[in-house]
Amino acid sequence: EAEVAQSPRYKITEKSQAVAFWCDPISGHATLYWYRQILGQGPELLVQFQDESVVDDSQLPKDRFSAERLKGVDSTLKIQPAELGDSAMYLCASSHRVSKNIQYFGAGTRLSVL
Amino acid sequence: DAKTTQPNSMESNEEEPVHLPCNHSTISGTDYIHWYRQLPSQGPEYVIHGLTSNVNNRMASLAIAEDRKSSTLILHRATLRDAAVYYCILNGPDHYGQNFVFGPGTRLSVLP
Repeated sequence: EAEVAQSPRYKITEKSQAVAFWCDPISGHATLYWYRQILGQGPELLVQFQDESVVDDSQLPKDRFSAERLKGVDSTLKIQPAELGDSAMYLCASSHRVSKNIQYFGAGTRLSVL
Repeated sequence: DAKTTQPNSMESNEEEPVHLPCNHSTISGTDYIHWYRQLPSQGPEYVIHGLTSNVNNRMASLAIAEDRKSSTLILHRATLRDAAVYYCILNGPDHYGQNFVFGPGTRLSVLP
């Protein structure tokens, strides 16, 4: 069964350093989402792509976060500089152009900022 | 976005049915009701969704109140693998896809 791939699974960094997370959605899925999940809370949408275009980044802290999906396939989420409050799980999800109600999530990248 | 209210936690015995409630009194006529669950150390996974009529699939059933202000996710026979956080989410149709707003969900514990 096809899965959303994310790497790395775990990342430890010091504050003020740069970090990057990678996501490869299920083949053929046009919509890609990045979520942040703080321990004990539900996921919060950071950015949504339709193909290579950003359609919603209203919750993305643009002073330090950036996201791209250059060829409309895989995507990278970057934080620079990382802050202590960025420690969280970063989840990627994708959905098919037709079956928009079903989002498929990856296992996530757990980030710890020291 | 319309808001949902779920109990923080619930407990069930293995092999018994589980009814997970969700209140959504401000639901609009075009909002779909979605349920996702998140097993420990994993990303959320789709369970079921519906608009007005009750829905069944291999994982669960979704019972929607006639006024649509509440719904219930039914697991017919809980197993230890069903221990997870269950999220009830509302969203209307969107041109690009579903922009989900997750609440804290209900943490389900299944006792052997």
